[in-house]
Amino acid sequence: GQQVMQIPQYQHVQEGEDFTTYCNSSTTLSNIQWYKQRPGGHPVFLIQLVKSGEVKKQKRLTFQFGEAKKNSSLHITATQTTDVGTYFCASDSGAGSYQLTFGKGTKLSVIP
Amino acid sequence: NAGVMQNPRHLVRRRGQEARLRCSPMKGHSHVYWYRQLPEEGLKFMVYLQKENIIDESGMPKERFSAEFPKEGPSILRIQQVVRGDSAAYFCASTDGEGGANVLTFGAGSRLTVL
Repeated sequence: GQQVMQIPQYQHVQEGEDFTTYCNSSTTLSNIQWYKQRPGGHPVFLIQLVKSGEVKKQKRLTFQFGEAKKNSSLHITATQTTDVGTYFCASDSGAGSYQLTFGKGTKLSVIP
Repeated sequence: NAGVMQNPRHLVRRRGQEARLRCSPMKGHSHVYWYRQLPEEGLKFMVYLQKENIIDESGMPKERFSAEFPKEGPSILRIQQVVRGDSAAYFCASTDGEGGANVLTFGAGSRLTVL
């Protein structure tokens, strides 16, 4: 499957600060998905990006897919304690593929 | 509308025992994935199944691990002769398998501890 690298591995922010996590691949991705896993919980699907340069927003979360479809980012504006968790990007190998490969995730801690 | 149901949620086994983890997919979903997550690690693909078929088991260790998804009943991930390194969270996810990228709905996971 596709290899996706995520940075940073950990991020500690003060509540109200912004947060960004990045997902990179050496090959072109057909799509990118983002999941959130709360501490002790299970991954929950957030969004999927398919088009080059695509930008999607969910309240304070902004997701971008790079023009070359080799990278993606998740940006959270004005973090809250409810944003705590690990954010994973994931991608499959394209048409006909079914194996979703996950990045190692970025663990976000929010200091109240 | 029950989501993906996994049981047991927590399982403790001694080395050498067997662990059986069960997963019932979401209603209407016929495709099941198993992922393993070690503490502070990402999710590692293990196996992908459809009813009565193993489609891709490239992520499964060659020995001691097996998976099935029978025509009736839940999917089962079976680990024989468990070792301490098998301690992990095992997540099942399901999809409807219909076109496009596979968006996974995960269960709450089964957390295996091997003493």
